[in-house]
Amino acid sequence: GQNIDQPTEMTATEGAIVQINCTYQTSGFNGLFWYQQHAGEAPTFLSYNVLDGLEEKGRFSSFLSRSKGYSYLLLKELQMKDSASYLCAVRFYQAGTALIFGKGTTLSVSS
Amino acid sequence: EPEVTQTPSHQVTQMGQEVILRCVPISNHLYFYWYRQILGQKVEFLVSFYNNEISEKSEIFDDQFSVERPDGSNFTLKIRSTKLEDSAMYFCASRRQSSYEQYFGPGTRLTVT
Repeated sequence: GQNIDQPTEMTATEGAIVQINCTYQTSGFNGLFWYQQHAGEAPTFLSYNVLDGLEEKGRFSSFLSRSKGYSYLLLKELQMKDSASYLCAVRFYQAGTALIFGKGTTLSVSS
Repeated sequence: EPEVTQTPSHQVTQMGQEVILRCVPISNHLYFYWYRQILGQKVEFLVSFYNNEISEKSEIFDDQFSVERPDGSNFTLKIRSTKLEDSAMYFCASRRQSSYEQYFGPGTRLTVT
């Protein structure tokens, strides 16, 4: 199978830093994406990793370790508007260009 | 900024009826996708389309489903005979040839009664 695992829920306070982890089956790995999805809306692209290491984009960073089948999304200086679901999605060679999504992590940011 | 658009935003249909969900991908994009998300569940891949043919499809995309690019701008998903379990949000996505990023449309909420 192409299991992608991430925590179901996380909570944090404004101004804090939060790390959302994602693990996946390494066989056939061909890239990992993070998307943000507000309730009732479409997923919006946050980041893409295909090589090991950290990709930084403003308040958001994403890390990948291909050998461990592990990624995390780091959100700094949290704001209330960051309350959303964060979806880890993987491309596998077997599935071509399709994105296989995890169940998502619902992040609640409180003041 | 260009966006993927989808119509209708909400479709209610009776079991056994045919529905067509419509998408207008971003104009210079060449790869098109349909995903669905049952309420409270994960986003699931249905089908990808490139160069006027299906590239990949999932197990969900059975004979009841079909896709078409009837003209240079629209990309449609047809469900021939809807079932209760087809009730979901259906997202269209597109991407450029030179990028891995898929841009998602706002979705069509399909309710089968």
